[in-house]
Amino acid sequence: DGGITQSPKYLFRKEGQNVTLSCEQNLNHDAMYWYRQDPGQGLRLIYYSQIVNDFQKGDIAEGYSVSREKKESFPLTVTSAQKNPTAFYLCASSPRAISDNQPQHFGDGTRLSIL
Amino acid sequence: AQSVAQPEDQVNVAEGNPLTVKCTYSVSGNPYLFWYVQYPNRGLQFLLKYITGDNLVKGSYGFEAEFNKSQTSFHLKKPSALVSDSALYFCAVRVFHTGGFKTIFGAGTRLFVKA
Repeated sequence: DGGITQSPKYLFRKEGQNVTLSCEQNLNHDAMYWYRQDPGQGLRLIYYSQIVNDFQKGDIAEGYSVSREKKESFPLTVTSAQKNPTAFYLCASSPRAISDNQPQHFGDGTRLSIL
Repeated sequence: AQSVAQPEDQVNVAEGNPLTVKCTYSVSGNPYLFWYVQYPNRGLQFLLKYITGDNLVKGSYGFEAEFNKSQTSFHLKKPSALVSDSALYFCAVRVFHTGGFKTIFGAGTRLFVKA
């Protein structure tokens, strides 16, 4: 079955440490997204990518970095500069980003906590 | 600023009764409208969308939504609620912005269906 796989499901970060969240899709979608979910705040866009080797900052990109070297993969690194990283992180994809009226497909998330 | 509002943090309904989860939006132009559902520790699942045409759209699991342009609303409805419908529901609006399209999510409404 096609879908989005996020790993790990739970992740713990020590102070000063960078951690990387994995996101892989086999839907052949061009566009991929990273969202942060905090209680009562809905989803906030961190980064998105419309095509391989290209990505754009979302609304809350500070303290995060991404890469898009392959169509299937869009890893997110939470750097030590992100002072409040505790949240539920969701990866999503859609066929295209431009003129796209299709819904986004979501992975099952990674819950990041501070040790 | 473009925004999506879900005015109720929580909706309580008895099993078998009709349910409504409200959504209003403030955007320019003609947006694409979506409803998603999220179960605990899972990603979002697509329920239904409005792009154009008939104001009443039907989706998964017996849900439907009514688009009202004059009231800028897109309320989610179901004629007879099930206990298994208990979850977090998100309204989303896809709008054009610099560089392409952007999805704005509401803060979410938690639905409790009591047996």
